[in-house]
Amino acid sequence: GAVVSQHPSRVICKSGTSVKIECRSLDFQATTMFWYRQFPKQSLMLMATSNEGSKATYEQGVEKDKFLINHASLTLSTLTVTSAHPEDSSFYICSAVEGVTGELFFGEGSRLTVL
Amino acid sequence: GNSVTQMEGPVTLSEEAFLTINCTYTATGYPSLFWYVQYPGEGLQLLLKATKADDKGSNKGFEATYRKETTSFHLEKGSVQVSDSAVYFCALSDHYAGNMLTFGGGTRLMVKP
Repeated sequence: GAVVSQHPSRVICKSGTSVKIECRSLDFQATTMFWYRQFPKQSLMLMATSNEGSKATYEQGVEKDKFLINHASLTLSTLTVTSAHPEDSSFYICSAVEGVTGELFFGEGSRLTVL
Repeated sequence: GNSVTQMEGPVTLSEEAFLTINCTYTATGYPSLFWYVQYPGEGLQLLLKATKADDKGSNKGFEATYRKETTSFHLEKGSVQVSDSAVYFCALSDHYAGNMLTFGGGTRLMVKP
């Protein structure tokens, strides 16, 4: 089946640094990718919708300057957490829409810990 | 707007017990419904889905039926195993919103031997 890969799976960084998380669709082209954030013991919250070749659409309350999303190709979207702070520590998950069937596939998630 | 409500956990069961996790939804259109499972330390995996009313999704012994009249998609399994311990998320996808998923709050299931 279709596979979506996220990297890194875990990252620990110091406060004030920036962290980039990659989301790749390995065997299909994804015109649309979604980025979610999951707080401990809570549900996934959609952060933004990423469309290849255009600017991401952010959900209300998500700072676009803090969470930079780039969807440079049909198989890669990146989320950069800029000037990370401890409150940005979370589990970030991407999903990609398979272009032919419209089915959604999820990455394994990336756990960010900001010290 | 769209929303999904599922029963709060944790749900603790003994092995071989019957499982039901309730899920109800509100949607403006005709959504597809999903159950996702998140095992400890892993990402989300699609467990089953149903795309129209009265459809039944099934996988790994789990079942859920799309009930439009009650706007529900309850997850059931006749005999749970310890390996079923995970967090289960009910979700809907509104085709008019470009397949964007709306998730319920998640229900943690703990199965004891």
